[in-house]
Amino acid sequence: GESVGLHLPTLSVQEGDNSIINCAYSNSASDYFIWYKQESGKGPQFIIDIRSNMDKRQGQRVTVLLNKTVKHLSLQIAATQPGDSAVYFCAENAGGTSYGKLTFGQGTILTVHP
Amino acid sequence: KAGVTQTPRYLIKTRGQQVTLSCSPISGHRSVSWYQQTPGQGLQFLFEYFSETQRNKGNFPGRFSGRQFSNSRSEMNVSTLELGDSALYLCASSVRTVNTEAFFGQGTRLTVV
Repeated sequence: GESVGLHLPTLSVQEGDNSIINCAYSNSASDYFIWYKQESGKGPQFIIDIRSNMDKRQGQRVTVLLNKTVKHLSLQIAATQPGDSAVYFCAENAGGTSYGKLTFGQGTILTVHP
Repeated sequence: KAGVTQTPRYLIKTRGQQVTLSCSPISGHRSVSWYQQTPGQGLQFLFEYFSETQRNKGNFPGRFSGRQFSNSRSEMNVSTLELGDSALYLCASSVRTVNTEAFFGQGTRLTVV
């Protein structure tokens, strides 16, 4: 039969607003987390990462927050621009023998209106 | 420096055929991972190679295989193609296997008819 696609969460914001994209991860043993941005027709692009011994990390216009107690990750984008419109994925790596394996969330579609 | 290069960008194959996809990692990167991306399942890990050795494998049937060469370039092969294998196949490279940034190529869009 016909496969049903993932229904991705969507976030729609106005240019200049701050955006917050959330992600719940599954493996409490995960010790490394990454946010990726994927534009149409392109591969995922690295945005920012954080290790499990941290709870916050800042980059240029982006901040990642990690709450290990509730297994929650968020990406904050300041002064969102139309060029930020894309699908955003969180990914986790459990380290140890999980060599090179990233487990991805379902993604969130961010649309920025001028 | 050059990014991750995947070839070809697009492929159309018939059910039952086999296909080989190629990935050239960023210079100096020794870890190459492969992912399948579909609307129904999202991004799923296929396997990872480091120094020509497969270190980890995802939950895919044995029709999916791969290898890595001494120059870190990698290929993945899918035999006896099924309609459900239609997907974007992504390759990612990193310096080492864990806790490092993984950089993705643009992918190979495979359509099975």
